Amino acid sequence: EDQVTQSPEALRLQEGESSSLNCSYTVSGLRGLFWYRQDPGKGPEFLFTLYSAGEEKEKERLKATLTKKESFLHITAPKPEDSATYLCATLQGAQKLVFGQGTRLTINP
Amino acid sequence: DADVTQTPRNRITKTGKRIMLECSQTKGHDRMYWYRQDPGLGLRLIYYSFDVKDINKGEISDGYSVSRQAQAKFSLSLESAIPNQTALYFCATSDWASGTPTKQYFGPGTRLTVT
Repeated sequence: EDQVTQSPEALRLQEGESSSLNCSYTVSGLRGLFWYRQDPGKGPEFLFTLYSAGEEKEKERLKATLTKKESFLHITAPKPEDSATYLCATLQGAQKLVFGQGTRLTINP
Repeated sequence: DADVTQTPRNRITKTGKRIMLECSQTKGHDRMYWYRQDPGLGLRLIYYSFDVKDINKGEISDGYSVSRQAQAKFSLSLESAIPNQTALYFCATSDWASGTPTKQYFGPGTRLTVT
């Protein structure tokens, strides 16, 4: 069965301090690796889908990368509005997402 | 207007009561899902439906039931609520494009407290 583990559980950065979030997975035949952002009291909001090792996608200050065993979400020069919980998930079977527990990111001004 | 709506947004109920959470979507998607979110455990799948006549159990379906009344409506019921069902519940929808997995769109969530 797919397993998804995210680290760290929580990360506190200063504004402008770049860092990376990790998502490790075990899955037989990856069909998609998804990143979501979740703000307090709201539903997850889609960020990226990665399909194969070596793939990269960018959006503003975020860049997601994928290897055969893990994915990274790189945050470059973050701003306070980037504070949120970031969730990754793998696709199990047909359209069933298996989520990690999330990384709670706080950016201090 | 939001694409995926959930009602109620907040609910407090007592142990043993039956409760229904409702989800509606205007995206025209065939696939709908119910998840629950607990602190430190992430999102876990309760039930999912690929069309009106196709309903499937997820990893934590015990104590829950669902009804797909129409393509746009998917309801989750707790037949006899218990305190460990206190959680944040999310509905989601997705499309299927030529065999390629597509993203899921989530509703705003229902915060359920069982006392």
